Order: sequence, then C-alpha cells, then structure tokens
Amino acid sequence: NAGVTQTPKFRVLKTGQSMTLLCAQDMNHEYMYWYRQDPGMGLRLIHYSVGEGTTAKGEVPDGYNVSRLKKQNFLLGLESAAPSQTSVYFCASSPRAQPQHFGDGTRLSIL
Amino acid sequence: KQEVTQIPAALSVPEGENLVLNCSFTDSAIYNLQWFRQDPGKGLTSLLLIQSSQREQTSGRLNASLDKSSGRSTLYIAASQPGDSATYLCAVGVDDKIIFGKGTRLHILP
Repeated sequence: NAGVTQTPKFRVLKTGQSMTLLCAQDMNHEYMYWYRQDPGMGLRLIHYSVGEGTTAKGEVPDGYNVSRLKKQNFLLGLESAAPSQTSVYFCASSPRAQPQHFGDGTRLSIL
Repeated sequence: KQEVTQIPAALSVPEGENLVLNCSFTDSAIYNLQWFRQDPGKGLTSLLLIQSSQREQTSGRLNASLDKSSGRSTLYIAASQPGDSATYLCAVGVDDKIIFGKGTRLHILP
C-alpha cells in the first residue's frame, strides 16, 4: 500500500518563484493536512481539509494556498516563495479528525 | 491556547534499560493524545492513540498513559534497544486538528 505520497521529495527554489506540492492518499480518507517542520519550532499546521472541496486555515497559513479538488489529492501552493518558507513539509491524512498517517516529507529550500 | 511540552528535549540511555518520556498539555479539553515516532529524514509513524476516556494503551514494549485532569501523558519503553533511537513526538487532538510538542530525541547506547 502506498499510503500517503508526497511529490516532490526535494526542491530548491529562488525567491519569488512559485511551486505546488502534491499530496496523494489511497486510503479514501476524508481529512487531509499540511504541516511544516522547522528546527526548534516543531510541527505547525498550515492548512487542512475535512473533505473534498473544503479547506481551512491552520496556525501558519500566510503565504500558502491549498486546493482539494479530488478527495485523494491535497495541493499546497507557494505563489511567491520567500526564504522564510524554507522547511520540511509534511502531508497527513485520516479517516476522521486528528491525522494519523503521514507522508515522508518534502524538503524545500528557498534561496 | 493549547500548548504541548515535552521534557527532556534529548535523552541517552544504555541498551536494555526501561525509560519514560514525558508530555504535558495546558488545556484538558482534548479528544485524544497520540505518540509518534520520527526517524531522521522520515515522516511520522503513529505509535499509540489514547482516547480522552481511556487511561492507557499498550503495544508491544510500549505503554502510554493519559491523565487528562492533570494534563500529563507518559510513554514507557521497556527493555530499550538501539532500534528505538528516534525522536518521539506527543500530540493532542483538539477539534479537527492535533497540536504537537517539540519532541524528545532518544538515543539508545549499544
């Protein structure tokens, strides 16, 4: 079973560039989440979705947008990347509230 | 605002010892509490999930307890092994989300 798959695994961007991170889950889960993990800050929730077509803001949503057009996919977009967005991004999914299944992460560097 | 604290931030113990990791949270209005394991460069793996109505959960050599009224949870690891070396994260379930502590980095010395 693939579980939660994140694409890409690594990426280097220049300040001002845009990109989209893709999260795909094959478990038919309703809930999906995007977190960022930074040294000394722990995991912080960016955005989440409680079902297809829904999105909601988390703790640190500024500078990010999300879309959940299909139940199995949750996209995280950076419209104009900034060095402060250098981080490891994790996607998670769950059949109900409180995420339990995490992807392996996307390591993003903004120069 | 809910805050989750894990002490210590790092811990080294000899192989074979039993050990306890601590987690505290400021607001007792939680749905559940989870313990996760994270290996370097990897994602999180859920180890144990304790619902708010439960006191403990066990899986193999792991036992997690929850005292909601005092805002505390412990993760007990019996007969530690070098393969247990990882970062352990505590997270409390609030509404549709979970809030993480910053983790305890555990190193088991062979």
